[in-house]
Amino acid sequence: DGGITQSPKYLFRKEGQNVTLSCEQNLNHDAMYWYRQDPGQGLRLIYYSQIVNDFQKGDIAEGYSVSREKKESFPLTVTSAQKNPTAFYLCASREDRVPTDTQYFGPGTRLTVL
Amino acid sequence: QKEVEQDPGPLSVPEGAIVSLNCTYSNSAFQYFMWYRQYSRKGPELLMYTYSSGNKEDGRFTAQVDKSSKYISLFIRDSQPSDSATYLCAMISQRGFGNEKLTFGTGTRLTIIP
Repeated sequence: DGGITQSPKYLFRKEGQNVTLSCEQNLNHDAMYWYRQDPGQGLRLIYYSQIVNDFQKGDIAEGYSVSREKKESFPLTVTSAQKNPTAFYLCASREDRVPTDTQYFGPGTRLTVL
Repeated sequence: QKEVEQDPGPLSVPEGAIVSLNCTYSNSAFQYFMWYRQYSRKGPELLMYTYSSGNKEDGRFTAQVDKSSKYISLFIRDSQPSDSATYLCAMISQRGFGNEKLTFGTGTRLTIIP
C-alpha cells in the first residue's frame, strides 16, 4: 500500500520538552510538507522540503525544526520555543507529475501540551 | 484581510439536497484551485483540481471557478450522509520548483442530515 504515515496519532508534551513527530512516505515523492491546523484557521505551512538535504521555512516556522536525510522521511521537531504547540499536525507529500500539484496528506498527529 | 476567505459554517442540509460551498480570494495571481475533504480527525483528501474558469464535473461533484470575480465553488448533488465532513478550498499561484505552497481556506463544516 502506498501512502503517508504519521506517528504517533496522539502525543502529549510537558512544558519545556522537545518532541519529534514522524512522517514517512513510500510514494517516491520528492517534495514533503508540514502543516499545522487550528480551529478556525485552516492549514498553515510550517516547513517544506523539495529534495533530500534541503528544506525551507514556511509561514510559521518559529519554534519548529525539520530534517530531510532520506527521501521517504521528513520528521518535525516541536521545540520548547514554540509557545502554543497544541494543534493538529499534518504531513503531506506532492507528486511531481505535471500539470497537477496534488498534495497527499497523512492522517495527522494531535499534539497536546500538558 | 486573509488571502482566501471561506465561510466556516457549520452548514446542515437534508440528504439529497444540493450543497454549495464557496471561497473568495484576493490574490489575482492564484491560478490553480483545489477542493479537499477532511473527515473528523483525519488528513484532508483531494476531491477536485481545476485551473481554468468554468465548470469541472466529477460524479456528484462540480467545481466552478470565476477568476474575474475571484470566486470558486464546489457543488455536491444528491448529498449523502457520507459527505458530512469539512471542505477546504486551496489555491496556488504557479507551479514549478519553489512555488508549490498552497494557500488554504479555513474550511466549511458540512453535515448531511438523513
